[in-house]
Amino acid sequence: GENVEQHPSTLSVQEGDSAVIKCTYSDSASNYFPWYKQELGKRPQLIIDIRSNVGEKKDQRIAVTLNKTAKHFSLHITETQPEDSAVYFCAAKSGTNAGKSTFGDGTTLTVKP
Amino acid sequence: EAGVAQSPRYKIIEKRQSVAFWCNPISGHATLYWYQQILGQGPKLLIQFQNNGVVDDSQLPKDRFSAERLKGVDSTLKIQPAKLEDSAVYLCASSLEGLSNSPLHFGNGTRLTVT
Repeated sequence: GENVEQHPSTLSVQEGDSAVIKCTYSDSASNYFPWYKQELGKRPQLIIDIRSNVGEKKDQRIAVTLNKTAKHFSLHITETQPEDSAVYFCAAKSGTNAGKSTFGDGTTLTVKP
Repeated sequence: EAGVAQSPRYKIIEKRQSVAFWCNPISGHATLYWYQQILGQGPKLLIQFQNNGVVDDSQLPKDRFSAERLKGVDSTLKIQPAKLEDSAVYLCASSLEGLSNSPLHFGNGTRLTVT
């Protein structure tokens, strides 16, 4: 089955700096890669996603890159703000296997004001 | 649109007792998922339904966990008997269709504490 590894597990940055979170996946059948943000005690919410036919996608301060050959994808947050502090999860969704989504173990991002 | 509804929000039970969680997905979403999220870990899929049929329950501990989705809408997840290691947040999610590139929409979850 699919295995998703996420690094780092914790990340602390100063407000205004950039943050990068990386994930690797094992199943070449995975074709959809969403990122979710989970604030303390709340539900995971989609912040950005990328499909396997695209190499990069950007939405304001957030961008995601995908390297299908190397089977890794990354989340980039620029000009970080204290409200970006949360746990971020990457996921890989299979194009077969009933569309099963496998999640990484999360990165706790702390943005210091 | 209304989000994914889950209840109860919190539940505390003793080991060996039983518990049930309820989920109402977003209207029109054919695919429904139950995830278990242990503190400090990512969500782990327990079971996935497409309409009212099970498409993946490979990681569901079937000796104690069961789930159903009658009429392809609401779903219930049951644990009987509960163990200490079942303490976790149980997240229900739905998506438009399983194989498509559609994201998961999560409910607020049920935080289960087994003592």
